[in-house]
Amino acid sequence: EKQLVESGGGLVQPGGSLRVSCEASGFIFSNYWMHWVRQVPGTGLVWVSRINMDGSATDYADSVKGRFTISRDNAKNTLYLEMNNLRAEDTALYHCARGGVPLNLWGQGTLVTVSS
Amino acid sequence: DIVMTQSPESLTVSLGERATINCKSSQNLLSTSNNKDFLAWFQQKSGQPPKLLIYWASTRESGVPDRFSGSGSGTDFTLTISSLQAEDVALYFCQQYYRIPLTFGGGTKVAI
Repeated sequence: EKQLVESGGGLVQPGGSLRVSCEASGFIFSNYWMHWVRQVPGTGLVWVSRINMDGSATDYADSVKGRFTISRDNAKNTLYLEMNNLRAEDTALYHCARGGVPLNLWGQGTLVTVSS
Repeated sequence: DIVMTQSPESLTVSLGERATINCKSSQNLLSTSNNKDFLAWFQQKSGQPPKLLIYWASTRESGVPDRFSGSGSGTDFTLTISSLQAEDVALYFCQQYYRIPLTFGGGTKVAI
């Protein structure tokens, strides 16, 4: 079964850092672009970042540029999102998603809460 | 950024009736290179991640019931559920993948 499982979310203070992970299974991870998309529970979806198949190219939403870093380890079938200088407005459920285009497989998400 | 505007925000439909959701893009999503519209539709049920229903504006993802259909081109798109079933109660989003940043519509809540 094709699956994406996120982990690493939690409560962090404003200005703090957190790394979330996404483990892939059931498909050839290294064949796909991967994305992070966040969602404030009950509201809409906001794209955060993407990375190409070998990790050599990345893109970010303006709201996280310079603070977040996406990376991947194809040997471990794992995608990462390193988040620094976190703000209250970064509080959300962070989903990883597979796809060049379109996003055809999503994980359940890991909740990141930024609060003092 | 390309702005995606969905309407209505919520929709109540009787079982077996048709549901229609609209999505308008602030820019043309039709690519001249492949003559396809870079538009997808997702369904999100409570407590679950989004599920891809339709891509290239009108191509159903494998396994998606044929009561779901997508139409439109350029800047105006529609998702139609031809005969609403109980399991179709969900939030529906459109999304453009023509340009980074990927952007989503605000969502339409479908209820019975």
